[in-house]
Amino acid sequence: AQSVTQPDIHITVSEGASLELRCNYSYGATPYLFWYVQSPGQGLQLLLKYFSGDTLVQGIKGFEAEFKRSQSSFNLRKPSVHWSDAAEYFCAVGSYNNAGNMLTFGGGTRLMVKP
Amino acid sequence: DTGVSQDPRHKITKRGQNVTFRCDPISEHNRLYWYRQTLGQGPEFLTYFQNEAQLEKSRLLSDRFSAERPKGSFSTLEIQRTEQGDSAMYLCASSNRDRGLQETQYFGPGTRLLVL
Repeated sequence: AQSVTQPDIHITVSEGASLELRCNYSYGATPYLFWYVQSPGQGLQLLLKYFSGDTLVQGIKGFEAEFKRSQSSFNLRKPSVHWSDAAEYFCAVGSYNNAGNMLTFGGGTRLMVKP
Repeated sequence: DTGVSQDPRHKITKRGQNVTFRCDPISEHNRLYWYRQTLGQGPEFLTYFQNEAQLEKSRLLSDRFSAERPKGSFSTLEIQRTEQGDSAMYLCASSNRDRGLQETQYFGPGTRLLVL
């Protein structure tokens, strides 16, 4: 069975500083990987996804993520954080088959941004 | 494309009561998923529909839970005899199978349930 680990429960960064959120996955086949963001009391918004091809993927709001098969990682990065980036971030792996795609999520990382 | 909508956004109920939530997917999305998210955790898969057929159910979905998608459009999730442990955010997502295995799920705003 697949699993996702986000080692950092909370991260605090200063506005304008760079950000890296860690994600490690366990999956027996080629993974399909996602990052979602959730503001308090809201649903999940897709930031970016990896299916195949270039291992560095670009997403919305200036985020990018790099798939590293050898490390089973899919870390999320942003070069300069804005106060509006404060939210909870979830990494997910898709267990695709022809019957459907059940996403398995990590426990999330809560990002706080200091002014 | 108006996005996935869910109703109600919040529900407070007493233990033992029945509740029903509705999800309207993005139009023409033929796959619909339900997830549950408890406080401080990531979402967990509950069940999944392709058109009107319920194809997969998680072990989390006890006999008190039932989901339907009668015409392959909107879906309902009913919880009978609610328990305090059912308190959670219930999230709905939809996707389009026509993209093959590379499908992306788009989530609604969720329904937050509090069982007193």
